[in-house]
Amino acid sequence: GENVEQHPSTLSVQEGDSAVIKCTYSDSASNYFPWYKQELGKGPQLIIDIRSNVGEKKDQRIAVTLNKTAKHFSLHITETQPEDSAVYFCAASFQGGKLIFGQGTELSVKP
Amino acid sequence: DSGVTQTPKHLITATGQRVTLRCSPRSGDLSVYWYQQSLDQGLQFLIQYYNGEERAKGNILERFSAQQFPDLHSELNLSSLELGDSALYFCASSLDSATNEKLFFGSGTQLSVL
Repeated sequence: GENVEQHPSTLSVQEGDSAVIKCTYSDSASNYFPWYKQELGKGPQLIIDIRSNVGEKKDQRIAVTLNKTAKHFSLHITETQPEDSAVYFCAASFQGGKLIFGQGTELSVKP
Repeated sequence: DSGVTQTPKHLITATGQRVTLRCSPRSGDLSVYWYQQSLDQGLQFLIQYYNGEERAKGNILERFSAQQFPDLHSELNLSSLELGDSALYFCASSLDSATNEKLFFGSGTQLSVL
């Protein structure tokens, strides 16, 4: 079936530490993997995305890695700051034009 | 501000009733997506429209329906409401339907069914 598993569901780190969120997807044909950040009372906002022909992409303190063989992709946030605290969602594209989201990770960055 | 407008922001109604949620996509975007967010189900894909035509369907109940109008705004109709329909409903838009890339989400409509 069409499924995206995301772990952990909650993550607490100290300011300045790194945070890693992992996702797996069910369909080997999936070729687009975005990450969204949702702050309280707001809609999800795209922060970074990667296509299946790329193994890694970086944007300042945020990076995403993709392992197509394992059907696994991860979000890495370095030098975390309190404003990084939010819920993060991974997603994967599936046949028929669907973008399916993981269950979300609530990240808390403690000063 | 994502440029996607959803109205109303909050909606309180009773079981058995029918409501309509409205979404105006970003200027120039042809695709509209509807998602339901609840605490235990995360972001559930409901349906996608592209330039007025249904493009993809997710876990949308038969009691729910949607459409996209010629001016590209979209409406999600929820009928015979049940307590379990209480959730945050998001609309998102993108320029292209083929890749589902770069979705921009609105701020959502919080639906409470009492």
